[in-house]
Formats: sequence, structure tokens, C-alpha cells
Amino acid sequence: DTAVSQTPKYLVTQMGNDKSIKCEQNLGHDTMYWYKQDSKKFLKIMFSYNNKELIINETVPNRFSPKSPDKAHLNLHINSLELGDSAVYFCASSQGLGTGVSYEQYFGPGTRLTVT
Amino acid sequence: QKEVEQNSGPLSVPEGAIASLNCTYSDRGSQSFFWYRQYSGKSPELIMSIYSNGDKEDGRFTAQLNKASQYVSLLIRDSQPSDSATYLCAVNPTGTASKLTFGTGTRLQVTL
Repeated sequence: DTAVSQTPKYLVTQMGNDKSIKCEQNLGHDTMYWYKQDSKKFLKIMFSYNNKELIINETVPNRFSPKSPDKAHLNLHINSLELGDSAVYFCASSQGLGTGVSYEQYFGPGTRLTVT
Repeated sequence: QKEVEQNSGPLSVPEGAIASLNCTYSDRGSQSFFWYRQYSGKSPELIMSIYSNGDKEDGRFTAQLNKASQYVSLLIRDSQPSDSATYLCAVNPTGTASKLTFGTGTRLQVTL
């Protein structure tokens, strides 16, 4: 059984288009995340939701809009795609927020976005 | 100063040897530390979490944490070619509820 799944696995699109990536987890976790891994393999958090509430919103262009319809799902919509948006986007989930410590995070397989 | 620093490598070790991967972090108040393994083209896979000073062992892997010196390390005993991957160190900075800051990773090559 896949714990954290993402669709699509690959996404090739042209500049200016709008696209969405979907994520689902079946671990019963309360917290979900979006990370971006750039061409230099640096992994950086973008957003986090806990029980459908946005709790982390890093310095990300407002062309990126996350949405969590329920605890098990977190989607990422990107408007007006730019060349610099090309990267691998990972969804992750964890048990919760933790108090003073952070719970372990489990990653999905990633979505490789290529903007031409 | 980067928040989480790792030597990018590659770190080359012969099969059967011990691989030692190091990570330093800048936020002295950090409480949670994680090691992930990432194969090329794959997603990060959690190997170890450590929260207290000292050693934590899981099979061939041992994580070591020294909060006073602000470093965390990962030892891989009896290294196998299948251990060849990039190892990412992640730290939860103080007061950032669940946010993880990652290092740039160390590429490990286990040679036959």
C-alpha cells in the first residue's frame, strides 16, 4: 500500500500555463507538506497544513496556492508557470505538529515539473 | 552561515567499511534531527530520527547527536554498494512547529 502518493509523476507544460499537483496520504497523519527540490538537489519547504489549516507558508510566489480539502489530501495549484518553477515537488506527511519536537516526515514519490 | 551544513562529497568508502556522515546546524535550540537517504531520481526516505544527545542505533545505522557542539552524524557499518546514495540531514529549528530545514546532502559512494 502506498503511504503518500502524488499525481502526476511527470508534468511537462509551457510557460504561462496553470497546473495542479495532487497528494494523498493513507497514514492517518494530521500534517501535510509541500517541498521543492531544485536542480541542485536542495530541498526546501514551501507549505504545511495541519488538520486543513495552513501553518507554514514560506516565501513562495503567490502564484503557488495550496489547498487541503481534508486531512488526507493536499493539492498544489500553480498559476502562470515560469521556467524557474521547473523542479521536483514532493509532498510529505507527519503524525502531527509535535510539542517542542517534530514528528518524522514521510515523503511521496515526487512530481517532476518541467516548464518549457 | 547556512542553517544546516553538510559536506557535499562524494564520500567514497570500500564495501564493508564504516561510512561517517556529518552535519552541523546553526540553531542551538533545535530539538529534532533526521537523516534521510535519497537515491537518484527517488524521494527522500527516512533512515533515523534522533532527539537526545548520544547515540541511537538501528541495524547498521547509528545516529549521533551532540547538541553542545551542534552536530549530528550518521555512521553506516558494513557499507554495501546499495548504500550509495545522497544522505540528507534535516533539522527542526526552534519554534517552527514541524518545519524541517535540510542540508544540501552528502553523496556516498560505496566501492567494490
